Amino acid sequence: DGGITQSPKYLFRKEGQNVTLSCEQNLNHDAMYWYRQDPGQGLRLIYYSQIVNDFQKGDIAEGYSVSREKKESFPLTVTSAQKNPTAFYLCASSFGGPQVVQYFGPGTRLLVL
Amino acid sequence: KNEVEQSPQNLTAQEGEFITINCSYSVGISALHWLQQHPGGGIVSLFMLSSGKKKHGRLIATINIQEKHSSLHITASHPRDSAVYICAAVLLIAGGTSYGKLTFGQGTILTVHP
Repeated sequence: DGGITQSPKYLFRKEGQNVTLSCEQNLNHDAMYWYRQDPGQGLRLIYYSQIVNDFQKGDIAEGYSVSREKKESFPLTVTSAQKNPTAFYLCASSFGGPQVVQYFGPGTRLLVL
Repeated sequence: KNEVEQSPQNLTAQEGEFITINCSYSVGISALHWLQQHPGGGIVSLFMLSSGKKKHGRLIATINIQEKHSSLHITASHPRDSAVYICAAVLLIAGGTSYGKLTFGQGTILTVHP
């Protein structure tokens, strides 16, 4: 079955620790996205990638880093510089272009200990 | 002020009622999406439209480009329709070109009682 997987479902971070959220897709999509969702707020774009080995900052990239070494994978690292990392993180993918459907993963909930 | 605004923020209905959720945006767009988020957090794309009207089962989405407004309608609502409904737009940028970046509304929490 084609789709997007995110792992883990829940992730706990200690103060000063970097953590990496996984996102994998087997839909042969060129574009991948990371969004953050906070209670009562709309989703906000962290980073996006249109093609392998290329990515751009979104609206709230500070404290995050990404890589896109393979078409199928777009991991997100939440660094210790992100002072308020507790949120729900969603990964999405699509074929390239402005008028295409984005497919979302199930999300990872990050909590700070 | 957000570039994409939804109303209402919360909506409660009785089973069978006709439901309308509204979305307005302040700048030009190339496409508008309606998404459904289930209580567990997963998001499903319902519609993507750039003009006119689309229908899928009991769901209908319309968009008026001139008025910068879109609506999502649910006919004969059912408790299983309870979810958060989100509109998201692909905003036009300088030069008139845009990629697939979405700008999201805050979401509408819909609860349908039996």
